[in-house]
Amino acid sequence: DAKTTQPNSMESNEEEPVHLPCNHSTISGTDYIHWYRQLPSQGPEYVIHGLTSNVNNRMASLAIAEDRKSSTLILHRATLRDAAVYYCILRAAYNAGNMLTFGGGTRLMVKP
Amino acid sequence: DTGVSQDPRHKITKRGQNVTFRCDPISEHNRLYWYRQTLGQGPEFLTYFQNEAQLEKSRLLSDRFSAERPKGSFSTLEIQRTEQGDSAMYLCASSSRASTSTDTQYFGPGTRLTVL
Repeated sequence: DAKTTQPNSMESNEEEPVHLPCNHSTISGTDYIHWYRQLPSQGPEYVIHGLTSNVNNRMASLAIAEDRKSSTLILHRATLRDAAVYYCILRAAYNAGNMLTFGGGTRLMVKP
Repeated sequence: DTGVSQDPRHKITKRGQNVTFRCDPISEHNRLYWYRQTLGQGPEFLTYFQNEAQLEKSRLLSDRFSAERPKGSFSTLEIQRTEQGDSAMYLCASSSRASTSTDTQYFGPGTRLTVL
C-alpha cells in the first residue's frame, strides 16, 4: 500500500489559515486522497477527499499537487474546535477490506 | 439523524475475563468496520462486514477475537481471555457507498477497554 508522511504536530493561531501537508510519493494513479480528523475523545470524522483536482467543501479545501505526490489540507480560518489529529489517507480504487489505513497523523494545536 | 452508537463507552475488566462490545451503525448502512486504537497511534483495521457477511479480517484479529453481525444490522465484538495488551479504544464505523475508494466512513465514539 502507498504510504503517507505527515508532520507530527503543527501550531496555529485562532482565525488564521492552516495548511496541513501530506507527502505520498508512491501514490498510484487510481488512489484517492482522503482526510479524516479526530477530535479529543471522539472517533475520527471525514473531512474531504479528492483524486486529481482541488476540492472545496464547507469544512476545508484540498489542494493536490500536479504530480499527485503531495497534497495540502487547508483550513481557511482555524477555530479552537479545529484542534485535532488530522490523518491523510490513500484509498485504492479496489480495496478488498475497504479499510482506512491510518498513519500517525498531524496533531494540530490552535492557540487563542 | 442518529450516528453510529457504541456500547458500553468504557469497560474495565480483569485479565482473563471475556468482554463483548456492541455497535449500532447508521440505519441502512450495509458496511460495518471495527478498528482498534492504542494511545498515541492512529486506528488500526480489525474487520469488515458487508451486510451479515464478514469479508475481511486483519491479522490483528487473533483467535481470541470474534465479531458478528447477525441480520446485517448491529454488530458485536467479543474478546475472550482478555490480556493487558488488549487495552485500547475499539472503534466502529459504517458506510454505504458502492465505491470502495470514495465512500465515507462514519465512526462511533468508541469503547475504551482497560484490562487490569
